[in-house]
Amino acid sequence: EAGVAQSPRYKIIEKRQSVAFWCNPISGHATLYWYQQILGQGPKLLIQFQNNGVVDDSQLPKDRFSAERLKGVDSTLKIQPAKLEDSAVYLCASSLILGQGTRTEADNEKLFFGSGTQLSVL
Amino acid sequence: GENVEQHPSTLSVQEGDSAVIKCTYSDSASNYFPWYKQELGKGPQLIIDIRSNVGEKKDQRIAVTLNKTAKHFSLHITETQPEDSAVYFCAATYSGGGADGLTFGKGTHLIIQP
Repeated sequence: EAGVAQSPRYKIIEKRQSVAFWCNPISGHATLYWYQQILGQGPKLLIQFQNNGVVDDSQLPKDRFSAERLKGVDSTLKIQPAKLEDSAVYLCASSLILGQGTRTEADNEKLFFGSGTQLSVL
Repeated sequence: GENVEQHPSTLSVQEGDSAVIKCTYSDSASNYFPWYKQELGKGPQLIIDIRSNVGEKKDQRIAVTLNKTAKHFSLHITETQPEDSAVYFCAATYSGGGADGLTFGKGTHLIIQP
């Protein structure tokens, strides 16, 4: 089974430029997440989709960040304009189903991460 | 919102010894607690998880314990091996439907000394 695919692997831009990241989740996974991981810290949730709808974007800096998942499969995350503090690894993750109360001991409820896109803003 | 604290930030143990990493959470509604291992240049990989209706779970050399009253949970790795060297993250969420994005701790860098 193929994992979560992300591209590009690395990106270097200057501040005030725009950048976009792409994610292809595991086939059949309804839920997709974008996380930001600053060096030396744990991942921080930016946005959660179920199919093509937004479930939670409360921690997304909406003045500069945007994300979409138009057909309920692939997703893109965009930053415009970028700031120095946006330098981080952007991780995409997917899971098969949204939480449904009592979870069962099934692998399809686990969260699977891609390898991430490392962004450097100069 | 949920807040997860993780200790220690760095842990060095001799190969073959045990390692213990501890986390506390703030939201009593949280009911799902996974642990992830992250190697350099890779995304986090789930290694074990526990739900609030269980106090302990074990998978070979890895075990996790949960104390709901004290709101803390721990990862135990026995008979450590060089390939256990990595950064480990604990996380918490409420998985009752709706928004269930994980809140992560800051990570523990585990170093296995040969």
